[in-house]
Amino acid sequence: AQKVTQAQTEISVVEKEDVTLDCVYETRDTTYYLFWYKQPPSGELVFLIRRNSFDEQNEISGRYSWNFQKSTSSFNFTITASQVVDSAVYFCALSEAPQGGSEKLVFGKGTKLTVNP
Amino acid sequence: NAGVTQTPKFRILKIGQSMTLQCTQDMNHNYMYWYRQDPGMGLKLIYYSVGAGITDKGEVPNGYNVSRSTTEDFPLRLELAAPSQTSVYFCASSYQGGETQYFGPGTRLLVL
Repeated sequence: AQKVTQAQTEISVVEKEDVTLDCVYETRDTTYYLFWYKQPPSGELVFLIRRNSFDEQNEISGRYSWNFQKSTSSFNFTITASQVVDSAVYFCALSEAPQGGSEKLVFGKGTKLTVNP
Repeated sequence: NAGVTQTPKFRILKIGQSMTLQCTQDMNHNYMYWYRQDPGMGLKLIYYSVGAGITDKGEVPNGYNVSRSTTEDFPLRLELAAPSQTSVYFCASSYQGGETQYFGPGTRLLVL
């Protein structure tokens, strides 16, 4: 069965610090997709990144970067030079490739990041 | 671009009442989903639909019903509200399975 573990329940940092949010997943499929979503205090879910299981290249988008390692089943998210606006709950999620009607996104429990000024 | 819209934003129900949570998307997505989010937890899938007329159960379907008569709309029905259904409900859509799901703003439901 699919499972996503975000072991860090809450993290608190001071502005401008770098912070890494961990995500470990379990799946029996060879084809799958990994996602990160941000949920700010206002409550909406904001898509950050989607990565398929065949692409292990790290990705950087501004201050955000993602490290995907199939060998350790991890898809970690790093925020460089954190800002107060980064304060949110971050969710990692896993979706197996479409195979006849078993579509679902399995979410981790989320990591609450607080960036203090 | 409206994306995924949900109504109402907030509702208080009494035990045993029924209601329908509305969800509409204007992105011509085939797949639509309903999730619930309980405090301190991730999202859990209630029901999903891969196209008009086709729906299937997710992880936590008990106490809910859905229908999908059009591509755009995917309403979620609570027939006999229970306190355990107090939660935030999110609707999402994607072009197809495995693609990025885009979420609505959520409906906060309180059952007393």
